Amino acid sequence: GDSVTQMEGPVTLSEEAFLTINCTYTATGYPSLFWYVQYPGEGLQLLLKATKADDKGSNKGFEATYRKETTSFHLEKGSVQVSDSAVYFCALMDSSYKLIFGSGTRLLVRP
Amino acid sequence: GAGVSQSPSNKVTEKGKDVELRCDPISGHTALYWYRQSLGQGLEFLIYFQGNSAPDKSGLPSDRFSAERTGGSVSTLTIQRTQQEDSAVYLCASSYAYEQYFGPGTRLTVT
Repeated sequence: GDSVTQMEGPVTLSEEAFLTINCTYTATGYPSLFWYVQYPGEGLQLLLKATKADDKGSNKGFEATYRKETTSFHLEKGSVQVSDSAVYFCALMDSSYKLIFGSGTRLLVRP
Repeated sequence: GAGVSQSPSNKVTEKGKDVELRCDPISGHTALYWYRQSLGQGLEFLIYFQGNSAPDKSGLPSDRFSAERTGGSVSTLTIQRTQQEDSAVYLCASSYAYEQYFGPGTRLTVT
């Protein structure tokens, strides 16, 4: 079945460092891909999405590019802030329109 | 506009009792989803409603779990004879197209 694999955390960075969180997927066809973020004590928020190969999703300085050749959707940000500390989930939408999530990656940004 | 709302925000119940969790989706969203977030299992799909179609119940973990959606809007997730392994955060999401918007969740603790 479809699945999503994320790098294990926690990822600890200093403020203004470059962030990459790896995400790869296994799926039939070309599913839509998403990154969700969960800030401490809050619910899941959609961060960005890409619906077809080579699409780049972006929001709040975060970017991810849908790479069908490597079945990847890595999340990047050029300069992280303390306020970016959260858990990040990669997800795909399967053929039945439900989301399949990765296990989540906790990011901790230190001042 | 208003987002997805869920009630109660927290629920503590004794093992063997029944519980009902409520979800109010975003107005106009035709699709409604229930997911569960637990430490051991991560984020997992439970059930999906789309318009007047029969729901996709493929993620329900046992026949103790059921859900209904009345009038194409509000949904109730019912867990009968609760067990300790049912302790989790139950998330509701609604959608019009590809993007699913999540509520804050109901934290269920079974003692």
